[in-house]
This record gives sequence, C-alpha cells and structure tokens, in this order.
Amino acid sequence: GAGVSQSPSNKVTEKGKDVELRCDPISGHTALYWYRQSLGQGLEFLIYFQGNSAPDKSGLPSDRFSAERTGGSVSTLTIQRTQQEDSAVYLCASSLGSTTEAFFGQGTRLTVV
Amino acid sequence: AQSVTQLGSHVSVSEGALVLLRCNYSSSVPPYLFWYVQYPNQGLQLLLKYTSAATLVKGINGFEAEFKKSETSFHLTKPSAHMSDAAEYFCALGDAGNNRKLIWGLGTSLAVNP
Repeated sequence: GAGVSQSPSNKVTEKGKDVELRCDPISGHTALYWYRQSLGQGLEFLIYFQGNSAPDKSGLPSDRFSAERTGGSVSTLTIQRTQQEDSAVYLCASSLGSTTEAFFGQGTRLTVV
Repeated sequence: AQSVTQLGSHVSVSEGALVLLRCNYSSSVPPYLFWYVQYPNQGLQLLLKYTSAATLVKGINGFEAEFKKSETSFHLTKPSAHMSDAAEYFCALGDAGNNRKLIWGLGTSLAVNP
C-alpha cells in the first residue's frame, strides 16, 4: 500500500478482555516495529521484526503482550487480559531495513475501561 | 544511560516568526539524532536526521537542525513559521542508527498564530 495502515484507529475495551491490533506495512519493507505511547511518556519500543529472523521482543512489558508477523507482511499485536495501564496509542512502523527511515502508521488509540 | 529531553511541551509562535524547538540528549556513544513531525490525524514523519556527517542538517519543509556536541543539543529551527507547521514534533536518539533502539523525547506541540 501507499503507507503503513493500522486498524482499528480507536479501540475501547473492558479490563480483562483480549485485544488485537493490526498493522499492514508498506509493501516490500522487511522491518516492522511496534511502539507504545502512553500519556505523558515518549514512544516506547515494544517489538521488532526483520525478515525471517527471530523477532526482538525485548521491549514487551509483560507476557500478556505478544505479536506475530505472518508471511513477512501483516503484523498483529495481541494484548491479553488488558489492564488500565495498557491504555495508550500503539504505533506501527516499517522500513526497508533496520537502519533506514521508518514510516509510521497513524496508530491505534486503546482505552481500557 | 541514553536520554532525550525536549524543553517546552508547548510552543506558540506567530506566522512568519522564527521557530525554535529545543532538544538535548545524553549519550555515552556518538549519537544519531532525529526529528520527527506528526501532523493532526497523520503518522509520524521524518523531518531530518544527524548521522555524524555535517553538523548542520537540512530537512523537509524548510526545517534544519544543528548538532552541537559541546552543548549536547540538536535544536530544530525554521526561519519563518507557516500555519501548516502546526504539529507535534519529536526528537529521538538512535543507537548506531538502528531504528529499534530509538529513545524518544516527550514531544513539543507547535501552535502557529495568524
């Protein structure tokens, strides 16, 4: 596609429910990143995919968070048993490689009530 | 530890006035530095980046930034503000240019008054 697409743009969920956030990167981009932006915080790295290599999960805050990338394209970030502190904007980005410019999606605003 | 501080969460300027957005960093290794902009309802977009070449970096839309090692700063400037510059601006510090290791500032919201 023309840019990085994320869905949904907004998600309100009840505490304890699971949510799935989707990212559709730019076609041909081998690197894909997930970041989180909480209120009053800078962007926080969550996870990084590069081609067929094992993902770098070092930024995931807990085992309730997981992500997968199918066929080297679309990625899904899953948060299980959501908590109020999970409320944030989740941003996805993609790039041709890990050291080239990253292009960001518009983000998914998650609100846990 | 690496860190980025953006001074001023909100900056307001008049149209045609100088824009100055401040960014200071802390890094134990030579830094890579970035400025990103986020226009309303759009994704983050790279404005410019410093990767140890020229200390004065020119970016898109008339913006530029100067890397000053002695001051550990990478301030963003534009000589004349335009209404379309109203946006959120983020400074970020990289680890040898690897995007996944970017450390981000909290952002500065720029308002441009007519």
